[in-house]
Amino acid sequence: AQTVTQSQPEMSVQEAETVTLSCTYDTSENNYYLFWYKQPPSRQMILVIRQEAYKQQNATENRFSVNFQKAAKSFSLKISDSQLGDTAMYFCAFMKQPNNDMRFGAGTRLTVKP
Amino acid sequence: KAGVTQTPRYLIKTRGQQVTLSCSPISGHRSVSWYQQTPGQGLQFLFEYFSETQRNKGNFPGRFSGRQFSNSRSEMNVSTLELGDSALYLCASCTGTGLSNEQFFGPGTRLTVL
Repeated sequence: AQTVTQSQPEMSVQEAETVTLSCTYDTSENNYYLFWYKQPPSRQMILVIRQEAYKQQNATENRFSVNFQKAAKSFSLKISDSQLGDTAMYFCAFMKQPNNDMRFGAGTRLTVKP
Repeated sequence: KAGVTQTPRYLIKTRGQQVTLSCSPISGHRSVSWYQQTPGQGLQFLFEYFSETQRNKGNFPGRFSGRQFSNSRSEMNVSTLELGDSALYLCASCTGTGLSNEQFFGPGTRLTVL
């Protein structure tokens, strides 16, 4: 069974600074997808960034980037130039292909302070 | 394009009752997945429907069931409600085919069981 671990229940960062959220996972699969989802206080889950396991290059979306270490089964999220609107719960998720059974970590509550 | 919609947004039921939740996916999406979110257990996968067939199932008792209609709308039913069923129920839709399978989440239905 696949498990996803987020070891940081809560984090805070000053506005405009950089923060890194950690995620590790356990799987015997070789082909899979990893995701970071954001859930603001309004509760709507939003996809932040996605990484395909077969791609060696780390995914980047504007201020968001990942450090994907396949051998170490690590998938961290870096948020640069943090903004107040980044305050949310962040969930790391794993999905095996072709199965759409998405497994989530427990989440990291990020607070961006002015 | 309209997003994923869920109705109702809030529900209050008593133990022993049953409840039906509805999810309308993004137009063109044939896959609908359901998740239960609680403070204690986090986000847990319930099941996924694709083209009116249950394709994947999580580890939940038989009291939790679902179905999907020909227009891809999906319903989830919980019978004989227990206090522990109080949760935010999220549905997510995706195309269900191809390599991406990016899931788009709805706002959720907050179920309270008294």
